[in-house]
Amino acid sequence: AQKITQTQPGMFVQEKEAVTLDCTYDTSDQSYGLFWYKQPSSGEMIFLIYQGSYDEQNATEGRYSLNFQKARKSANLVISASQLGDSAMYFCAMRGFPTDSWGKFQFGAGTQVVVTP
Amino acid sequence: EPEVTQTPSHQVTQMGQEVILRCVPISNHLYFYWYRQILGQKVEFLVSFYNNEISEKSEIFDDQFSVERPDGSNFTLKIRSTKLEDSAMYFCASGGMNTEAFFGQGTRLTVV
Repeated sequence: AQKITQTQPGMFVQEKEAVTLDCTYDTSDQSYGLFWYKQPSSGEMIFLIYQGSYDEQNATEGRYSLNFQKARKSANLVISASQLGDSAMYFCAMRGFPTDSWGKFQFGAGTQVVVTP
Repeated sequence: EPEVTQTPSHQVTQMGQEVILRCVPISNHLYFYWYRQILGQKVEFLVSFYNNEISEKSEIFDDQFSVERPDGSNFTLKIRSTKLEDSAMYFCASGGMNTEAFFGQGTRLTVV
């Protein structure tokens, strides 16, 4: 069975500072993808960044980077130079390849980030 | 950039009525999903759909729920007789043969 754990229910970060959101996972699937989504108060799920389990390099997308440590089964999201608009709920998710097809997404509980001036 | 499109963005319905939530997945994707999120709570899996059939469903996805891909492009979720507790944000997602997958912007369903 897959499991995603986000241990930080909420975080405050000052504008322009960097913030790291923790995510650990557990899976027996050989192939899997790790995702981070941002959910602002309006409710939509915004894709931020993705890391495949066989990708050797850490993924980066603008101010977002994913610190992927496969042996530790962690996929932390780093947001550099935080902006007020980054205030939102952030979800870590995983999608695995258990047999001969891709399975469902498994979501963590989320981390609420509040960026302060 | 390709995107998953959901309609309507917000639906209000009376308890006991049927609703159909629509999704247009990314055109070359093969895997389709429905999730829901009750306000302030976690994102819950409902159903996955692959090769024109349900590949997995959760306990939430009971006989009141059904999914269809009627015309090869749309992917719909039907709730036959809505209950107050069905009020939630419903997300559609689609994925291709690699690991990438994308969610739609969601449909907020309010049952009154």
